[in-house]
Amino acid sequence: GAVVSQHPSWVICKSGTSVKIECRSLDFQATTMFWYRQFPKQSLMLMATSNEGSKATYEQGVEKDKFLINHASLTLSTLTVTSAHPEDSSFYICSARADRSYGYTFGSGTRLTVV
Amino acid sequence: AQTVTQSQPEMSVQEAETVTLSCTYDTSESDYYLFWYKQPPSRQMILVIRQEAYKQQNATENRFSVNFQKAAKSFSLKISDSQLGDAAMYFCASLSRNTDKLIFGTGTRLQVFP
Repeated sequence: GAVVSQHPSWVICKSGTSVKIECRSLDFQATTMFWYRQFPKQSLMLMATSNEGSKATYEQGVEKDKFLINHASLTLSTLTVTSAHPEDSSFYICSARADRSYGYTFGSGTRLTVV
Repeated sequence: AQTVTQSQPEMSVQEAETVTLSCTYDTSESDYYLFWYKQPPSRQMILVIRQEAYKQQNATENRFSVNFQKAAKSFSLKISDSQLGDAAMYFCASLSRNTDKLIFGTGTRLQVFP
């Protein structure tokens, strides 16, 4: 079945530094990937749609300069949290679809803690 | 715009019993899909069951089945013969073929008691 790999699974960084999270589709090509953010005990909020070879589409209220998305190939999308601050601490999840009718396959998530 | 509402923050069920989780949605699209995802403590999102909006027949996957009421925009999940491993957060989600966005409800935390 379709597998999405996400790394790292957890990261701690200092305030003001940048952190990159990778999302790879292992056995299928994904022209579109999605990035979600999940606060503790809350739902998944769609942050942006990552499109291979073009600019990402951000949801309303998401700072595009804070959350940089690059989709350089058909199997890799990256999310960079720039100049991270404690309020950016959260659980970030990526997803991609191999077949729309079967929904999306999700990565295992990245827990980001900014200290 | 798509919205998904889950009105039950928490539910509990005894092992081997049946439980139903509620979900309502709103969409202006005519072509869409509905899903139930499970998120255990590991936080890995797992697809439980899916339903194409154009199909009248309710989807079934082993112990999991849905009650899809299109006119009422209702999409409930029934778990039969509940097992301890079913304990998790359950999210209802809708996917519009037009927007290609998967939108989630707020989730229902299911506890299973032995």
